[in-house]
Amino acid sequence: DGGITQSPKYLFRKEGQNVTLSCEQNLNHDAMYWYRQDPGQGLRLIYYSQIVNDFQKGDIAEGYSVSREKKESFPLTVTSAQKNPTAFYLCASSNWDWEPTRDREPYSNQPQHFGDGTRLSIL
Amino acid sequence: GESVGLHLPTLSVQEGDNSIINCAYSNSASDYFIWYKQESGKGPQFIIDIRSNMDKRQGQRVTVLLNKTVKHLSLQIAATQPGDSAVYFCAESRGNNRLAFGKGNQVVVIP
Repeated sequence: DGGITQSPKYLFRKEGQNVTLSCEQNLNHDAMYWYRQDPGQGLRLIYYSQIVNDFQKGDIAEGYSVSREKKESFPLTVTSAQKNPTAFYLCASSNWDWEPTRDREPYSNQPQHFGDGTRLSIL
Repeated sequence: GESVGLHLPTLSVQEGDNSIINCAYSNSASDYFIWYKQESGKGPQFIIDIRSNMDKRQGQRVTVLLNKTVKHLSLQIAATQPGDSAVYFCAESRGNNRLAFGKGNQVVVIP
């Protein structure tokens, strides 16, 4: 079945440790995204990638890093610089189109599809 | 697991009744909107989307209404079922293929 797989489902981090969350998709989507979700909150964008070997910071990128070496994979590293890492992390992917009337900027007209998340906690 | 619905506005609805969930969006230039459903411990699931050149779109048991004049979006669920209990998020398009998400509304279906 096509979809997005996040692993592990639960992850624990010790003080001063970096941890990497995996996200793999077989939907052949160009764009991938990482979000953080805290209780009672909406989703906040950490990083996103519109194409292989390219990625941009989202709204809360500090303390996180990503890579996009393959189209189907977009791993997120939570570094020791992230002082409040306890959260539910969600990965998503989508297609996108060029908007010919907006200087060829990509625009959203396709829904993002989500994995089932990784819950990160501090030991 | 920890509930994503903690401290969210909650709509309690009797099984079989219709539900209406409302969302105000911020950017008058947004031209694409999506509704998602999220169950506890899972990722958001796509329900329905609408583009700004429409004011209504229907799916299976769901209808999305868009009022661009007052920047308001609503999701109507017909004949609400226990499986509809979840947190519902609206999202609006931003630049560079990004979405901005609302905080969510908890729907509780009473059998």
